Amino acid sequence: GAGVSQSPSNKVTEKGKDVELRCDPISGHTALYWYRQSLGQGLEFLIYFQGNSAPDKSGLPSDRFSAERTGGSVSTLTIQRTQQEDSAVYLCASSSDPANNQPQHFGDGTRLSIL
Amino acid sequence: AQSVTQLDSHVSVSEGTPVLLRCNYSSSYSPSLFWYVQHPNKGLQLLLKYTSAATLVKGINGFEAEFKKSETSFHLTKPSAHMSDAAEYFCVVSPFSGGYNKLIFGAGTRLAVHP
Repeated sequence: GAGVSQSPSNKVTEKGKDVELRCDPISGHTALYWYRQSLGQGLEFLIYFQGNSAPDKSGLPSDRFSAERTGGSVSTLTIQRTQQEDSAVYLCASSSDPANNQPQHFGDGTRLSIL
Repeated sequence: AQSVTQLDSHVSVSEGTPVLLRCNYSSSYSPSLFWYVQHPNKGLQLLLKYTSAATLVKGINGFEAEFKKSETSFHLTKPSAHMSDAAEYFCVVSPFSGGYNKLIFGAGTRLAVHP
């Protein structure tokens, strides 16, 4: 079935480069979330989209991090001037009806390694 | 503030014996609670959810959890462990504020199953 799709599955890049991570949610899901999973911090919320707007971006760790969503579907998380502490697995999730606590469905994540 | 505490970072059981993964939560609101499982290099899969209906919740793969408000607990159990249950398990609270379910994760419990 068509679940949440994330690409690339793995990304290795040099410190200081910019990276873009892509998330394709389940068709029809209006809510989209980004999380980060790292050894030291566990799973952390980054940003929430409802449609194309982001009412909660409180988890973005710095202004090097940004995200957008277009057409109420695909989302891109961009990290500028990457640092070694950005190394983590970035997980995307989508939900059909967050107002009624429908669960979030997760992709397999993008494993980002900063050299 | 909302938080989740998973009382054991590692649990080891023999195949065929019961599983108990412990979780305590703190929430100012009537929370929604979830258990997710993560197999190596995979995303998070929903096992079960509690959203103020029955306090005993049955999930997939024979898992269940009981919501105990007086103890602020939501422990995950399974009568008989299978080798395929070896994974990391996350207890999650959703404070359901602002009309969307921003998830707050516990630190995770790694379950090992021995033959």
